[in-house]
Amino acid sequence: KQEVTQIPAALSVPEGENLVLNCSFTDSAIYNLQWFRQDPGKGLTSLLLIQSSQREQTSGRLNASLDKSSGRSTLYIAASQPGDSATYLCAVNNNAGNMLTFGGGTRLMVKP
Amino acid sequence: NAGVTQTPKFQVLKTGQSMTLQCAQDMNHNSMYWYRQDPGMGLRLIYYSASEGTTDKGEVPNGYNVSRLNKREFSLRLESAAPSQTSVYFCASSEDRAYGELFFGEGSRLTVL
Repeated sequence: KQEVTQIPAALSVPEGENLVLNCSFTDSAIYNLQWFRQDPGKGLTSLLLIQSSQREQTSGRLNASLDKSSGRSTLYIAASQPGDSATYLCAVNNNAGNMLTFGGGTRLMVKP
Repeated sequence: NAGVTQTPKFQVLKTGQSMTLQCAQDMNHNSMYWYRQDPGMGLRLIYYSASEGTTDKGEVPNGYNVSRLNKREFSLRLESAAPSQTSVYFCASSEDRAYGELFFGEGSRLTVL
C-alpha cells in the first residue's frame, strides 16, 4: 500500500525566504504526483502536476521536482510572501490503483 | 468559471437520518471522486467514477452510496448517518483518471449528532 509522508508538518519562515517542502512515497510505480494548496476552511487548489516521465514543473515562484527512484518530491517556493501561508499537500497517483494517496500536509506560515 | 460545485456547504444531521451531497463540474471531465477529510487522517477516497456510467469503491466506502447521474454530476448519499461520518466532504474531477490533474470543490461540512 502506498504511503505518503510530508516533512515538516509545520513550518514558519520570515517573508522573503526561499523554502523547500518535502514529500516522500513508498511505491515508485506512479502515474503522477500533484501538489495542492489548501487555505483554512477551503477546498484544495492544484498547484503543479508532475507526470512520472517528468523531472520537474514550474509555475511562477513554485518549482516541483520528482525523483521516482528515491520516492521523493520537493516543492520549492521562492521569495515567500505572507499570502503563501496555507497547508500544502502532495498526492501520488498509483499505477496499481485508482486513487490518489495524500500526504498529511505541511502547514506553512510566512511572517511579514 | 465555476469548476466543481458542491451543495450543501454545511449540514447538520441526527443519527439515522439520510442525505445526499450533490456535485457538478463544468469542465467536461470524465472522472469524478468523493473524498472525506478528517483531522489526523488526511484525505481518503470514498468512491470514484472513472467515466459516465461507472462507479467504484475507494478506501472508505462503507455507509455511502454514489450515483453518476450524467457526465457532469456525481452525488454521494448517506443512507443512515452515523457520528463517525462527521467530516468535510470534497468532490473532485479530472479529465483522465490516470494522468489528469485533479480539481476540487469547496467542500461540504457535515456534522452528525
